[in-house]
Amino acid sequence: EADIYQTPRYLVIGTGKKITLECSQTMGHDKMYWYQQDPGMELHLIHYSYGVNSTEKGDLSSESTVSRIRTEHFPLTLESARPSHTSQYLCASSESGGYGYTFGSGTRLTVV
Amino acid sequence: AQKITQTQPGMFVQEKEAVTLDCTYDTSDQSYGLFWYKQPSSGEMIFLIYQGSYDEQNATEGRYSLNFQKARKSANLVISASQLGDSAMYFCAMRVLPGGFKTIFGAGTRLFVKA
Repeated sequence: EADIYQTPRYLVIGTGKKITLECSQTMGHDKMYWYQQDPGMELHLIHYSYGVNSTEKGDLSSESTVSRIRTEHFPLTLESARPSHTSQYLCASSESGGYGYTFGSGTRLTVV
Repeated sequence: AQKITQTQPGMFVQEKEAVTLDCTYDTSDQSYGLFWYKQPSSGEMIFLIYQGSYDEQNATEGRYSLNFQKARKSANLVISASQLGDSAMYFCAMRVLPGGFKTIFGAGTRLFVKA
């Protein structure tokens, strides 16, 4: 049973649309992360959060934004989707001082 | 800058045999953690095993063990008694500890287990 949930699992959307990828965790973890991963490739950090109202950009330049209004919720928003945004987006969380991350099942986004 | 290198894009192993997946890393930090994750074709990432840079003993978790050689900056994953369900992508990762927020990942190794 997953403790971190991502929706939708798959999304096909037209260029220029605004989309929000949802991520929620029930573990009370302070730290949450968004990674982008092209198929069979390494993960790249695009956003992270230390806690409520604390968000930072990661290494990969991204046109997305995030918010952290509640501990359990860390949505990712693309204001205007483009074909270059086609990828898998993985949400993860960890407790402060913890080691391994718990990942969600991912959202596979296709922008046409 | 930190870097993870996985030089084996793909590996084959016979069911019930052991397999070693290679990982080398580069960092100037003295305190760090090394991780291995498994990603099945369904896409989720599963945390397998952790090794701290100051841990003197190699980490083990069931059929997984981490062969940590600090001087060589290597952190190879050993899977014993391979099973068909072990077929997946495996990622080596590293994070500065304590307090590091960023985990960096290698490019991954795809493991195929043959019946």
